[in-house]
Amino acid sequence: GENVEQHPSTLSVQEGDSAVIKCTYSDSASNYFPWYKQELGKGPQLIIDIRSNVGEKKDQRIAVTLNKTAKHFSLHITETQPEDSAVYFCAATSMEYGNKLVFGAGTILRVKS
Amino acid sequence: ETGVTQSPTHLIKTRGQQVTLRCSSQSGHNTVSWYQQALGQGPQFIFQYYREEENGRGNFPPRFSGLQFPNYSSELNVNALELDDSALYLCASSRGLSNSPLHFGNGTRLTVT
Repeated sequence: GENVEQHPSTLSVQEGDSAVIKCTYSDSASNYFPWYKQELGKGPQLIIDIRSNVGEKKDQRIAVTLNKTAKHFSLHITETQPEDSAVYFCAATSMEYGNKLVFGAGTILRVKS
Repeated sequence: ETGVTQSPTHLIKTRGQQVTLRCSSQSGHNTVSWYQQALGQGPQFIFQYYREEENGRGNFPPRFSGLQFPNYSSELNVNALELDDSALYLCASSRGLSNSPLHFGNGTRLTVT
């Protein structure tokens, strides 16, 4: 079945610096890759997603890149702000569960001001 | 636009008991997915409901069951609770069955003692 690995598990950056979180997946049939942000006491919130026919997508300070050959995708946050501090999850679709999402273990991002 | 709402927010049960968690989907969404999130981990797919029928199931035993109602709201039932069932249970709604974005509620925190 699908296995999604996420690195690093924790990431500390200075305000204004960039942050990069990387994920790899195992199911070559996966075709949808969303990223979620989860703040304390809340459910995951979709921040950006990418489909397998696209290599890169950008939304203001957030961008995602996808390398289908290598089966990895990354989240890039530029000009980080304290409010970016949260847990970030990557996910990929799994054919095993009928095209449902399998999540990575999460990255705790701390932005120091 | 009303988001996904879940009730109750917190629940404490004793091992062996049964529990029912409830979810109202976001306006315009007809698909509901349930996820279990253990502390410090990513969400794990339990099952999905579309048009009142189960459409995909993860690696969870039959004592985890669900329902979807004509108004697209949903219930998650867990029988014979075990200590390991302690987790945050997340409901997500989406539009249709293709890879449309999942919108999560804030979850129900279940503690089994």
